[in-house]
Amino acid sequence: EVQLVESGGGLVQPGGSLRLSCAASGFTFSSYGMHWVRQAPGKGLVWVSRINSDGSRTSYADSVKGRFTISRDNAKNTLYLQMNSLRAEDTAVYYCARDVFGAFHIWGQGTMVTVSS
Amino acid sequence: DIVMTQTPLSSPVTLGQPASISCRSSQSLVHSDGNTYLSWLQQRPGQPPRLLIYKISNRFSGVPDRFSGSGAGTDFTLKISRVEAEDVGVFYCMQATQSYTFGQGTKLEIK
Repeated sequence: EVQLVESGGGLVQPGGSLRLSCAASGFTFSSYGMHWVRQAPGKGLVWVSRINSDGSRTSYADSVKGRFTISRDNAKNTLYLQMNSLRAEDTAVYYCARDVFGAFHIWGQGTMVTVSS
Repeated sequence: DIVMTQTPLSSPVTLGQPASISCRSSQSLVHSDGNTYLSWLQQRPGQPPRLLIYKISNRFSGVPDRFSGSGAGTDFTLKISRVEAEDVGVFYCMQATQSYTFGQGTKLEIK
């Protein structure tokens, strides 16, 4: 079964850091571009970051550029999002998603990140 | 940045009746490779989003054929031929032609 499972969310103080993970199974992880998308409570979907299949190219939303870093370990079938200098407005459910033909074909269940003092 | 605008934002529909959601982009979604990277997703209450349609009109695996997508350039439509109870949720259009942007979402509810 094709599956993405996020972990690493939690409560963190403003200015703090957190690293999210997304474990992939059921498909050849190293063949696909991957994304992080977030959703603040009661709000819509917002794209956060993308990484290509071999990890050589990344892109970020302006709102997280310079603070978040996306990476992947194809040997471990895992996607990461390192989040630094966290702000209250980063509070959201963070989803990882697999990219095929510019569409997000497979989504994880999400992990909640709360930034609050 | 490309802005995606959906209408309506809320759509009460009677079971068995059709429904339609419009999505307009602030600029053409035709990519230099000739493809139009416009997709539709559904998010049921308490669930992650799931892909329904990609590249305007291609149904993803397992998506019922009552869902269809159409459009070109800057104007796109998702149609549900006969709404069922399991269709309740929020529908999003998304463009991947220039970076990635979602519409605000359209909440489908049963009358």
